[in-house]
Amino acid sequence: AAGVIQSPRHLIKEKRETATLKCYPIPRHDTVYWYQQGPGQDPQFLISFYEKMQSDKGSIPDRFSAQQFSDYHSELNMSSLELGDSALYFCASSLRGGPGLVFSDTQYFGPGTRLTVL
Amino acid sequence: RKEVEQDPGPFNVPEGATVAFNCTYSNSASQSFFWYRQDCRKEPKLLMSVYSSGNEDGRFTAQLNRASQYISLLIRDSKLSDSATYLCVVNDNTGFQKLVFGTGTRLLVSP
Repeated sequence: AAGVIQSPRHLIKEKRETATLKCYPIPRHDTVYWYQQGPGQDPQFLISFYEKMQSDKGSIPDRFSAQQFSDYHSELNMSSLELGDSALYFCASSLRGGPGLVFSDTQYFGPGTRLTVL
Repeated sequence: RKEVEQDPGPFNVPEGATVAFNCTYSNSASQSFFWYRQDCRKEPKLLMSVYSSGNEDGRFTAQLNRASQYISLLIRDSKLSDSATYLCVVNDNTGFQKLVFGTGTRLLVSP
């Protein structure tokens, strides 16, 4: 079965540069979530989108922004990168559904993008 | 205090052993509970959802006690391939179901 796809898998940037991470959810999934996992830490929720609208916001820095496109893929844009931004960035997707549909809150994770800021 | 707490371990057990992990959560409004497994430097993978009545999937049994806000995972007949970090996860039930992770319990199964 198709899974969540993330690109790139690895990214190396210098301080103050920008980075764009991409996420392609499982086909027919309508909700995308972004998580950040620092070294030795548990994943922390950043932001989520449902049907191309931002649905929830967590501990996402103002330097970061994200959006979900008409094909449901999502991009996380990170600017003025700092050393502390080095982490694994996971995207997850779920099928929230809508009126008359089955709701599921189970989230499936992509393989992640490992960002290293030098 | 973290919203989801777990014993970080590591739990070192021999093959064939039975091991139990515990987890407590502080948000009484949480409605959905999960155990995820995470191998080193890889994504969390859903192991099982946890239901109020308890549920079993092969060698894995999960229990939920809403009154005590306590979740458990029992692994029977441990295999070498069970070595991983086990993450207790709850949804925060506000808005769109973002997940809150425990810090994980590391399991090492040895021959």
